[in-house]
Amino acid sequence: DQQVKQNSPSLSVQEGRISILNCDYTNSMFDYFLWYKKYPAEGPTFLISISSIKDKNEDGRFTVFLNKSAKHLSLHIVPSQPGDSAVYFCAASAFAGGTSYGKLTFGQGTILTVHP
Amino acid sequence: DTEVTQTPKHLVMGMTNKKSLKCEQHMGHRAMYWYKQKAKKPPELMFVYSYEKLSINESVPSRFSPECPNSSLLNLHLHALQPEDSALYLCASSQDMTVFHYYFGAGTRLSVL
Repeated sequence: DQQVKQNSPSLSVQEGRISILNCDYTNSMFDYFLWYKKYPAEGPTFLISISSIKDKNEDGRFTVFLNKSAKHLSLHIVPSQPGDSAVYFCAASAFAGGTSYGKLTFGQGTILTVHP
Repeated sequence: DTEVTQTPKHLVMGMTNKKSLKCEQHMGHRAMYWYKQKAKKPPELMFVYSYEKLSINESVPSRFSPECPNSSLLNLHLHALQPEDSALYLCASSQDMTVFHYYFGAGTRLSVL
């Protein structure tokens, strides 16, 4: 049973437009969420995170939104650039304890392609 | 230096071989992780070491044997693997188990024949 789901395997966007990547989770114990970005032949790199006490976190062109009632988060990239083309993984964990403590659970990833 | 170095990058082994994967970091991180990733699937946690002690084992078969000889080094010893164990093996580290900003290595692509 996948606790973190990214239902869109791929997304294609024009340069300069907004990219919106979505993620849903099922485990109500999750209270910390992250996005990682992965280029081919490299390991994932941390992009941005959000705690469950917030509903929005911004870092430059990247904003993550969290809707706890819907168990949904999204990553907005504005404006999108060709260098953003990569696989984006949503991940979740639990500070509060339980069986998810100390573990990051990843979604399947979404391949983002930004066209010039 | 924010690098996690994994060696080898590629490994081909037979089902009777014994091999080891190595992971090194010099960021002073006290938590280190092994993840396994199959094609078109998310990375799946295998083991977590915290302060050089095994903290989490996600019911991984005993043919995978982790080792943390010191705070900078993490090994994964492989013995009698099956073809279905072919995957990308990712190592990661973080300041400690409560910090989820992980630094990942580029991975070892393992093929079991």
